[in-house]
Amino acid sequence: DTEVTQTPKHLVMGMTNKKSLKCEQHMGHRAMYWYKQKAKKPPELMFVYSYEKLSINESVPSRFSPECPNSSLLNLHLHALQPEDSALYLCASSRPTGGSSGANVLTFGAGSRLTVL
Amino acid sequence: AQTVTQSQPEMSVQEAETVTLSCTYDTSESDYYLFWYKQPPSRQMILVIRQEAYKQQNATENRFSVNFQKAAKSFSLKISDSQLGDAAMYFCAYIRESYQKVTFGIGTKLQVIP
Repeated sequence: DTEVTQTPKHLVMGMTNKKSLKCEQHMGHRAMYWYKQKAKKPPELMFVYSYEKLSINESVPSRFSPECPNSSLLNLHLHALQPEDSALYLCASSRPTGGSSGANVLTFGAGSRLTVL
Repeated sequence: AQTVTQSQPEMSVQEAETVTLSCTYDTSESDYYLFWYKQPPSRQMILVIRQEAYKQQNATENRFSVNFQKAAKSFSLKISDSQLGDAAMYFCAYIRESYQKVTFGIGTKLQVIP
């Protein structure tokens, strides 16, 4: 299995809703990432989990709350979002860094297209 | 801070022809990796090719090859025998050894003309 699976593919929510994005991989990768991507822009890093611990938080507003329940799953909990948070949210995973073959290579999911009304 | 520059916002190529996408980067590190990722309109980012900075030999993957000039901090992607399925946004990316944050360029949109 060489895939990162993201659900849902599309999500429309109001500013008062609470929703979650889910990401799953079964490649044995121990680093998982959330990226936000606006149209015609490169992905922007939001969070990194390494061995199920949060290792990077790029000063993301608290209305985004990540969770890594186990080595295969990554969630992004959404609450009280703003219309400017509408974007494509990409999950990615990678092997641990440190010289191993394929280290640092990100495997991306297909993304969750979020629209905040 | 590391930066990645893609100076060509859009490129076009005739089907079956060759096209080269440019990328330059700035870093003071000696150990790092460079990548080209492709993002078709279907939106999934896919790795095209990877280059380790310590390797002098340019990476190749079938029709895709790079010209890695470490001293010049240049990392261009050559696509040979272009196909319609190559149409996508191409992002050049950099990551230093033992680090987790990738720096992406702004992307080059490639159009393939039948």
